[in-house]
Amino acid sequence: KQEVTQIPAALSVPEGENLVLNCSFTDSAIYNLQWFRQDPGKGLTSLLLIQSSQREQTSGRLNASLDKSSGRSTLYIAASQPGDSATYLCAVDNAGGTSYGKLTFGQGTILTVHP
Amino acid sequence: DGGITQSPKYLFRKEGQNVTLSCEQNLNHDAMYWYRQDPGQGLRLIYYSQIVNDFQKGDIAEGYSVSREKKESFPLTVTSAQKNPTAFYLCASSIQGRNSPLHFGNGTRLTVT
Repeated sequence: KQEVTQIPAALSVPEGENLVLNCSFTDSAIYNLQWFRQDPGKGLTSLLLIQSSQREQTSGRLNASLDKSSGRSTLYIAASQPGDSATYLCAVDNAGGTSYGKLTFGQGTILTVHP
Repeated sequence: DGGITQSPKYLFRKEGQNVTLSCEQNLNHDAMYWYRQDPGQGLRLIYYSQIVNDFQKGDIAEGYSVSREKKESFPLTVTSAQKNPTAFYLCASSIQGRNSPLHFGNGTRLTVT
């Protein structure tokens, strides 16, 4: 059974710092990995999706990498801002069958960026 | 604006009552999903549907039921058989096919006392 772990559980940084969030998964047979952002009491917003054949994806100040063989992904946030404060979740789509969107989620990293 | 609408935002029910959570999308997405979020446990899949009139159980389907009579709508009923129904429920959708990011609604917080 796939398990997804995110480290650290919480992170507090001053504005302007570059930071890295980590995600690990136990079964490397994944189809893709997605990073989401969740603001308090809200739904999830998709940030980046990395297909299993890709090594990284970039969007603005965000860069996500994927090392499928070692079961790891990192989300790099450059020049952090207070508006980046949120919970960040990673999720994997497990390969096999024709079903898609059946994601296994990590528990999230709560990020606080203080001015 | 296209998106997913979940209603109501907050829902309170007495134990033993069934309750239905609404999820409507105007993104023309084929696939829809229901997830449950509990503190410290991440999201868990309840049911999903890849096409109208078809749906499949997720990891924690016991005590829940769904229907998919229209492409735009995927209501979730929390029955009295669900032992711990108090949670934050999230509906999502995606276009058909793999490698399509999920789009989420803003959730319904259900409290059962």
